[in-house]
Amino acid sequence: DTAVSQTPKYLVTQMGNDKSIKCEQNLGHDTMYWYKQDSKKFLKIMFSYNNKELIINETVPNRFSPKSPDKAHLNLHINSLELGDSAVYFCASSQDGSFNSPLHFGNGTRLTVT
Amino acid sequence: AQSVAQPEDQVNVAEGNPLTVKCTYSVSGNPYLFWYVQYPNRGLQFLLKYITGDNLVKGSYGFEAEFNKSQTSFHLKKPSALVSDSALYFCAVRDPSGGSYIPTFGRGTSLIVHP
Repeated sequence: DTAVSQTPKYLVTQMGNDKSIKCEQNLGHDTMYWYKQDSKKFLKIMFSYNNKELIINETVPNRFSPKSPDKAHLNLHINSLELGDSAVYFCASSQDGSFNSPLHFGNGTRLTVT
Repeated sequence: AQSVAQPEDQVNVAEGNPLTVKCTYSVSGNPYLFWYVQYPNRGLQFLLKYITGDNLVKGSYGFEAEFNKSQTSFHLKKPSALVSDSALYFCAVRDPSGGSYIPTFGRGTSLIVHP
């Protein structure tokens, strides 16, 4: 009964390929996020989806795109993968877009681009 | 703009001793502050938060944090460290006056508790 689940846990692929990472939360939360954690453990927000409003970090390449089929899912699609995309990607959710609700994180997807 | 700083990349402490992990913040208005812990190969887990009220906030696993408005700090503390507390700790801030609900995270502090 994992609260926020991501699949796959590990993803190894070659440059130029297109891949997707799936995220599902069973907490009934309204807001979901995607974060990228680099090799130095720095967390960078990529996207947030709240009540059908998508907030995009303008520094994220447009090769990355989120897809939300419903409130419980926020999948991440990556086109034309590059070496620099190698990182751990975390999905998270919070109860709503309020300022006092903490984030609940999945266990991450380690993406390795060769 | 909201920002948060964790000045120490690593903190070393002996088991049984008190520990402190430092965090300072910068916001336009009143901050909403959070601490998270990350164990190896896992996602971040929420420990505690400060919204308003008492400056000393108690959280999970015996951790607490002290909000100090004049020093713009929100240090994480525990009276007696355990080896199992060894992990990566992140401070995060939200600034309601800034309009965005998306939190900004610090760069993380690695806590190592020696037996």
